[in-house]
Amino acid sequence: SQKIEQNSEALNIQEGKTATLTCNYTNYSPAYLQWYRQDPGRGPVFLLLIRENEKEKRKERLKVTFDTTLKQSLFHITASQPADSATYLCALGSSYKLIFGSGTRLLVRP
Amino acid sequence: DAGITQSPRHKVTETGTPVTLRCHQTENHRYMYWYRQDPGHGLRLIHYSYGVKDTDKGEVSDGYSVSRSKTEDFLLTLESATSSQTSVYFCAMRLAGDTDTQYFGPGTRLTVL
Repeated sequence: SQKIEQNSEALNIQEGKTATLTCNYTNYSPAYLQWYRQDPGRGPVFLLLIRENEKEKRKERLKVTFDTTLKQSLFHITASQPADSATYLCALGSSYKLIFGSGTRLLVRP
Repeated sequence: DAGITQSPRHKVTETGTPVTLRCHQTENHRYMYWYRQDPGHGLRLIHYSYGVKDTDKGEVSDGYSVSRSKTEDFLLTLESATSSQTSVYFCAMRLAGDTDTQYFGPGTRLTVL
């Protein structure tokens, strides 16, 4: 069955550093991959989408890469800020539905 | 959370009682979804709808039913709530376009005692 894995351990980094989150998937060939941010007590919010024919996508301080051979996406936040502290979810699309990873919690220390 | 609301936001109920959660959107989107979110499991799809009176099961549909009589409203019903259905429930709508990007509601925290 399709499976998406994200590091369940929280990522704890110093302000100003680059945060890198990983999303791995199996038994799937997605046309695109999405990243969402979720703050405590709130619903996920869409951040970025990258298609299978794109290697990299950027939006302000965010960068996403997509390696369909490795079946992996990396999500980078450069010059991280305490306000970036949240849980980040990756998701794969399939027939008008999304399959979500369980998310990785990011904590940025001031 | 403009465009999609959920009610109630919090609910405590007892085992065996019926519970209905409501999702309301003002954007006229065709696709709507119900998820539950539990620690260690992430978001799991319960049911989804692709139009008025058109619904289908998701990954964890047992014990849940849905109805969509109007485009703007998508109801999730627990016919006889169990403690295993204690969770946070999110409704979402699929945005227009050729991808499956979704916009989520604020969530409903349900506790079944």
